[in-house]
Amino acid sequence: NAGVMQNPRHLVRRRGQEARLRCSPMKGHSHVYWYRQLPEEGLKFMVYLQKENIIDESGMPKERFSAEFPKEGPSILRIQQVVRGDSAAYFCASSPQRVGYAEAFFGQGTRLTVV
Amino acid sequence: AQTVTQSQPEMSVQEAETVTLSCTYDTSENNYYLFWYKQPPSRQMILVIRQEAYKQQNATENRFSVNFQKAAKSFSLKISDSQLGDTAMYFCAFGDSNYQLIWGAGTKLIIKP
Repeated sequence: NAGVMQNPRHLVRRRGQEARLRCSPMKGHSHVYWYRQLPEEGLKFMVYLQKENIIDESGMPKERFSAEFPKEGPSILRIQQVVRGDSAAYFCASSPQRVGYAEAFFGQGTRLTVV
Repeated sequence: AQTVTQSQPEMSVQEAETVTLSCTYDTSENNYYLFWYKQPPSRQMILVIRQEAYKQQNATENRFSVNFQKAAKSFSLKISDSQLGDTAMYFCAFGDSNYQLIWGAGTKLIIKP
């Protein structure tokens, strides 16, 4: 059973470009969570999705950021018109249940660098 | 709002020693979960140990154990017989009946040979 797969591992974008981060959850997991980690900090919740539904996006900036988890295919975190402040590591986690009642399995993260 | 505090930004010990990482949290919930995650230089986030608040017995996983003090809202991680491979960032996290994990800022642990 493959773990949570995130790609790309590293992504460099110029200011104003779009960044698309992909997350394939573990087999059988229908809950996906995106977190952002700034240097020297813990993770900050961004968005929680179940298949085809956004359950909670309260941690995601209202502008330029969007997330989806389609019926088929990976979950996508999309950042439009990136700025330097978007540079961070973005982690995806998946679980068979809500995180509070099960361990969340994390991917290796995507390190986004905006130049 | 729930908060998680890790007061030790960095710790270092000699190989084979025992080290304790501290974590305190604040919540008004009665049922919740607490986690310790390890993040080695590879940046993979690895679950080390999990504690359910309704269980009085402290969780143990091989060389890793916790001291869970619910009344004091304290959740420390003890690593016995530390190994070089234990060098990593360690994060304490809180999960309640909601679905978000609330994270501490982390403790950088260095195991010296």
